[in-house]
Amino acid sequence: SQTIHQWPATLVQPVGSPLSLECTVEGTSNPNLYWYRQAAGRGLQLLFYSVGIGQISSEVPQNLSASRPQDRQFILSSKKLLLSDSGFYLCAWNNERTGIMNTEAFFGQGTRLTVV
Amino acid sequence: KQEVTQIPAALSVPEGENLVLNCSFTDSAIYNLQWFRQDPGKGLTSLLLIQSSQREQTSGRLNASLDKSSGRSTLYIAASQPGDSATYLCAVRHGSGNTGKLIFGQGTTLQVKP
Repeated sequence: SQTIHQWPATLVQPVGSPLSLECTVEGTSNPNLYWYRQAAGRGLQLLFYSVGIGQISSEVPQNLSASRPQDRQFILSSKKLLLSDSGFYLCAWNNERTGIMNTEAFFGQGTRLTVV
Repeated sequence: KQEVTQIPAALSVPEGENLVLNCSFTDSAIYNLQWFRQDPGKGLTSLLLIQSSQREQTSGRLNASLDKSSGRSTLYIAASQPGDSATYLCAVRHGSGNTGKLIFGQGTTLQVKP
């Protein structure tokens, strides 16, 4: 069966410090990977998605970046955190191929980031 | 631009009651709709996935319907239990190319009182 892991579960970082959140998926190959942020009162916002190694698409301009160094690994980074980067970050995956858009999406347990 | 709305934002019911959560979307050109459950401080758990060609899906006490033409979906929970207390999110898969994006509603926070 497939599983998705995110770590750390919680993180408190000072303004201006770097960030690295990691997400890995097990039990599948060549998944589509996604980073979402859930801010209080704003719902879930798609930040980045990746359809393959080294392929990253950004949805919104921001202080964050993403990388996919391996097929089942997705990393969210920042060089200098801002207060506005605080939120709940969720990684997700699904398996889709061109023309087949009807597969289920699965989410990790999330990382609570507080920038102080 | 696709927008997803969930009403009500919060709901409190006594245990045993049947209830309906509503989800509406503005653009009917969707691939599928997915209902999730989120417990406080946790990730999202997938409950039901309805393809655009389907009208409903059932899993245990949950039944989700989809009326794509009117842009509506409902999640019916039968015989509610305190363990059903959580936030319920609906999301539509909308987009073109190799990646359909999930567009989420704001969620309905459900409290089931013993």
